[in-house]
Amino acid sequence: AAGVIQSPRHLIKEKRETATLKCYPIPRHDTVYWYQQGPGQDPQFLISFYEKMQSDKGSIPDRFSAQQFSDYHSELNMSSLELGDSALYFCASSPRPGQGRYEQYFGPGTRLTVT
Amino acid sequence: AQTVTQSQPEMSVQEAETVTLSCTYDTSENNYYLFWYKQPPSRQMILVIRQEAYKQQNATENRFSVNFQKAAKSFSLKISDSQLGDTAMYFCAFMKPGGGADGLTFGKGTHLIIQP
Repeated sequence: AAGVIQSPRHLIKEKRETATLKCYPIPRHDTVYWYQQGPGQDPQFLISFYEKMQSDKGSIPDRFSAQQFSDYHSELNMSSLELGDSALYFCASSPRPGQGRYEQYFGPGTRLTVT
Repeated sequence: AQTVTQSQPEMSVQEAETVTLSCTYDTSENNYYLFWYKQPPSRQMILVIRQEAYKQQNATENRFSVNFQKAAKSFSLKISDSQLGDTAMYFCAFMKPGGGADGLTFGKGTHLIIQP
């Protein structure tokens, strides 16, 4: 079965640079979520989109922005990178809310290292 | 805001044994969803099992089952006939279905080690 696709899988950036992470949800999933998992920590919810509109917002820094496109893929843009942004970034997708299925399926993650 | 607590940072059992991971949560909501996710060394987040709060019947998926006690706000995961491949971090997660796409709130996780 098709899974969530994230690219790139690994990314190395320097401080103050920008990074763009991409996420392609499971086919027919129109809801996308972004999470950040620091070393030894649990995933922290950043932001979600449903039908290309921002739906819920978590602990996303103002330096980060995200959007969902017409084909439902999503991009997380990160600017003025800091050492503390080094983490594993997950994208997850789920079927349309309200259809009785709320489970989120995670991609393999993008490992971002800021030096 | 919701909180999820996993009080066991690490557990170790022998292969083929049964193990129970605990999870408690705090919420004022009446309708919500609970999940257990597994994160093996590959760091992939794998959905293990889900439970809807309005359902009294405990969810079961093969060797995995939950004990959902809504009044006590408890959601434990039981793994029967444990296998070496069950070694992983296990995260309990809460979601309030607010009609949109709500994010998950995770516990700190339990590192489960299955010994041969």
